[in-house]
Amino acid sequence: EIVLTQSPATLSLSPGDRATLSCRASQSVGNSLVWYQQKTGQAPRLLIYDASNRATAIPARFSGRGSATDFTLTISSLEPEDFAVYYCQQCNSWPLTFGGGTKVEIK
Amino acid sequence: QVQLVQSGAEVKKPGASVKVSCRASGYTFISYYIHWVRQGPGQGLEWMGIINPSGDNTNYAQKFQGRVTMTRDTSTSTVYMELSSLRFEDTAVYYCARGGLRGMTMTYFDYWGQGTLVTVSS
Repeated sequence: EIVLTQSPATLSLSPGDRATLSCRASQSVGNSLVWYQQKTGQAPRLLIYDASNRATAIPARFSGRGSATDFTLTISSLEPEDFAVYYCQQCNSWPLTFGGGTKVEIK
Repeated sequence: QVQLVQSGAEVKKPGASVKVSCRASGYTFISYYIHWVRQGPGQGLEWMGIINPSGDNTNYAQKFQGRVTMTRDTSTSTVYMELSSLRFEDTAVYYCARGGLRGMTMTYFDYWGQGTLVTVSS
């Protein structure tokens, strides 16, 4: 099973700041890495697929990069609605697995 | 528009079974796999398994093998997830999610149901 480790667990930032979230895989997943955003009481929302492709209607301030075992999600300038929990997921091999999440909170 | 609508919250006793439904609309039901993902209270996301709405074949996470059964009813565009021998630690929100690539199994999830809270309590 591929283990995904996200860091940091919590990121305390202010609106307008740049957020950089990391996801590291225990073995290569190629570019089969996905990012989701989840707000309290809601289902996850697809942000980025194939490591760097923005999903439909996702603002350009969200960007993803990386390959093999190291991936990054960047939010260039935090908007108030971006404070949430972010999860990475690999879809390279069974079982599909998720990282433990990074909470982006208001400083 | 694509929608996945799940059944309502359930309270079950340890050892019982629960069956959660997920009704799809807004797309060709048999063309996209459906996955089930759960989330314990204050915890992360856990993939449970996948079902092919076209052929009824499934693939379950090893952790749930023997306890989970996923089925579908093409006449109502509905997928079901049944979990048996419930334990306290099965208390979670259960989500259905559509595989984002038509006909592909290992893929991202582009649409999610609203979630169904299953509480296991004596």
